[in-house]
Parts: sequence; C-alpha cells; structure tokens
Amino acid sequence: KAGVTQTPRYLIKTRGQQVTLSCSPISGHRSVSWYQQTPGQGLQFLFEYFSETQRNKGNFPGRFSGRQFSNSRSEMNVSTLELGDSALYLCASSSGGLHHNEQFFGPGTRLTVL
Amino acid sequence: GQQLNQSPQSMFIQEGEDVSMNCTSSSIFNTWLWYKQDPGEGPVLLIALYKAGELTSNGRLTAQFGITRKDSFLNISASIPSDVGIYFCAPANNAGNNRKLIWGLGTSLAVNP
Repeated sequence: KAGVTQTPRYLIKTRGQQVTLSCSPISGHRSVSWYQQTPGQGLQFLFEYFSETQRNKGNFPGRFSGRQFSNSRSEMNVSTLELGDSALYLCASSSGGLHHNEQFFGPGTRLTVL
Repeated sequence: GQQLNQSPQSMFIQEGEDVSMNCTSSSIFNTWLWYKQDPGEGPVLLIALYKAGELTSNGRLTAQFGITRKDSFLNISASIPSDVGIYFCAPANNAGNNRKLIWGLGTSLAVNP
C-alpha cells in the first residue's frame, strides 16, 4: 500500500496570503488528522475528519479550516497568514476502526511565512 | 487540562549503549503509542500499547504501559547510529468523541558512532 502523501512538500508565502495544503491518506483509511509542528511546541492537533465530517477539533483560530472529500482525501486551508504560522504541517491517516489512534503520517508540508 | 511530561528532553549516547525514556501524566489513558521522527519526515509508529502492564517489543525496542495507566517507558537496547531522531509518546483515551492523541514534546536522541 502506498503511504500518506502530502503536497506540496515546501511552500513559501507572505503575510496576509492564504494557503491550501493537500493530503491523500492510505487507501482504505477514512480518518485524516492534521497537526502543526513547531520547534519546542511539539505536535499540536488541528482537526480530524472522518467520512467527510469534522469529528474533532483542536484549539486553533478560525483561520485554520479543513475539509474531506468522498475519496477521503483532505485539504486544510489557512487564511490571512501570520509569521507564526510558519511550521511543518503533518497529515495522518488511520482506519478509524478498533485501533483508531494508530495514525500513519505523511512527510509533511514545510510552510514558511515571510 | 491534561499534562504530559516526557523525559529526558535530549540524550547523547555512545553507539552500543542502552537508552531509556519515559512519559508521565496526571491523567489516565487506555492507549500509549510511541513514535519516532527522523529529520524532515513525519513520525513513524514504533509500538502501540493497549493494556495496563503490557510489555511489548519491536526488535531492539521495548515499551511498557504503566500499571497506573498514567505512564509509559521506551527502552532501546544496543543503540546504533540510525536510532538518531526524536521519540514521542502519544497517549489517548478511546472513549466517546474525544479520541485524539496527546503528544509529548519528544526526546531527541543523538548517537555517537
């Protein structure tokens, strides 16, 4: 099985712009979670989607949003970018079944906001 | 809120040495996962623990789910250079709708060949 893929791998934006990141989960996985990772802060949970519905949400402002499509692919959007949004954004998929928490991660998208 | 302490924050060891790291929490969990992250990559699942007291091995790695359900440790035996990376504990409660992982800040491991 192919692993979780994320595009793009690297992105440079300027303050005030908006950005859309894409994630394709492992085939058959219906749950997709998004995380923001910054040095010293670890992985911060953004949100989780399951069967096109947001099932869990972290403590991020409304500028961060996401969605999931019928094929389980997911996108996250950040509007009105701020310098502090520079981070590695990780997507993880899981089967959503008994071992729901066993998440499999993509390589991440490195976002730099100038 | 839930507090999760992972220690040590970093380790620098000689190749061949054994390594031990742990996570403690003020909350009870029913799942403990351990991940490793290499530079520029996403975390990779190493070991999953689902039962208090459970001791599980994956090659040179051994992890245990504490009896109190508030802690877990990960041991690496006979370390090698490719063990370099950041190790994360990630406990969770699979109850209700709050089934998200809580992440430690990681233990950064450096191995001197």
